[in-house]
Amino acid sequence: DAKTTQPNSMESNEEEPVHLPCNHSTISGTDYIHWYRQLPSQGPEYVIHGLTSNVNNRMASLAIAEDRKSSTLILHRATLRDAAVYYCILRDVFSRLTFGEGTQLTVNP
Amino acid sequence: GAGVSQTPSNKVTEKGKYVELRCDPISGHTALYWYRQSLGQGPEFLIYFQGTGAADDSGLPNDRFFAVRPEGSVSTLKIQRTERGDSAVYLCASSRDIGETQYFGPGTRLLVL
Repeated sequence: DAKTTQPNSMESNEEEPVHLPCNHSTISGTDYIHWYRQLPSQGPEYVIHGLTSNVNNRMASLAIAEDRKSSTLILHRATLRDAAVYYCILRDVFSRLTFGEGTQLTVNP
Repeated sequence: GAGVSQTPSNKVTEKGKYVELRCDPISGHTALYWYRQSLGQGPEFLIYFQGTGAADDSGLPNDRFFAVRPEGSVSTLKIQRTERGDSAVYLCASSRDIGETQYFGPGTRLLVL
């Protein structure tokens, strides 16, 4: 399975934008880039996904590098409720999600 | 609408016992997935179903683990002769079809004493 690399932790201040990076240099042409987040004691929550083009939804934006070897999840204005572990995942053709250890995002008031 | 539900939310059992964990997917979702999450780690894939059949069970750790989905809706994950190392959160997810977004339940926290 293709792997992703994320920083272990990041901090942000409330109301400021947050850019969460992810490297996936071994991505294959058919792998979709997915982002999930997990709050304490909850199941993972879908955030956004994309293949080649940048994507926007009500939760976040996903910027994908032209060579697809990296991507960035953008939270435009962080709130305290955005504090969670964020997982960058490559979904394979068999639809399995292979989670890494994710980035623990701390949002300071 | 209702999301994925899992029961029980917590289960404490003794080493060597048998346990069943239940997952109710979102209505109409044909694909169902089981993952396991150990403390401090990301979820790990176990098995997924398309309809009633197990499409991929390559993540099941050994033959003590088994899952069924007899009518293509509710699924049960069964663990025989539980071991302390089986203690984890067991997560279920469903998607409308294979390849579509997976939506997770809250998980069942299993503790084997």
